[in-house]
Amino acid sequence: QTVVTQEPSLSVSPGGTVTLTCGLSSGSVSTGSYPSWYQQTPGQAPRTLIYSTNIRSSGVPARFSGSILGNKAALTITGAQAEDESNYYCLLYMGSGIRVFGGGSKLTVL
Amino acid sequence: EVQVAESGGGLAQPGGSLRLSCAASGFIFSTYDMHWVRQATGKSLEWVSAIGSAGDTYYPGSVKGRFTISRENAKNSLYLQMNSLRVGDTAVYYCARGMQGGFDTWGQGVLVTVSS
Repeated sequence: QTVVTQEPSLSVSPGGTVTLTCGLSSGSVSTGSYPSWYQQTPGQAPRTLIYSTNIRSSGVPARFSGSILGNKAALTITGAQAEDESNYYCLLYMGSGIRVFGGGSKLTVL
Repeated sequence: EVQVAESGGGLAQPGGSLRLSCAASGFIFSTYDMHWVRQATGKSLEWVSAIGSAGDTYYPGSVKGRFTISRENAKNSLYLQMNSLRVGDTAVYYCARGMQGGFDTWGQGVLVTVSS
């Protein structure tokens, strides 16, 4: 069974840039995987940041951007702020209507 | 404003059943794919089911044959019928509107606890 991989934890300094990635245990992520990204703080519902690789959801600041880097999907935060400290999850479309989430990345801003 | 709101959570016994509902507002419900996503305490998100605008349905192996997603467009409502519940189904269940492979709008979630 294919697993969606994310870095378990990352850190970034305030104002800095960080890239979170989303890969597959077998194979490559492409635009056809329709990668999407979600932010979640403990006790809250997820919030959509990016869908279909690089489309920012309504109200999402421009410092969040999505792309394909090599064989992975990527979420880049440029100019990180303290409020960006959260858990981030990616979702990939596997075909035949099936979606799979990654295990999540915990981002610390310090 | 685009909104979805879940209801129907609660306590169920192993082997029992529960039906979740999701009320949608602020958009033309019938034209969107809709999904259920769950999250056990301290765990990642898990996609649970999807229903297309044409009524086609999809499930991961973990719930296939036990859960049934349905929709009633006249009532702007989405449902998840959960049968043969297991302790491992305990989670917060979210309703989400589909958008180009992923989701763009989430509800606040409803807690389902499966315990004897």
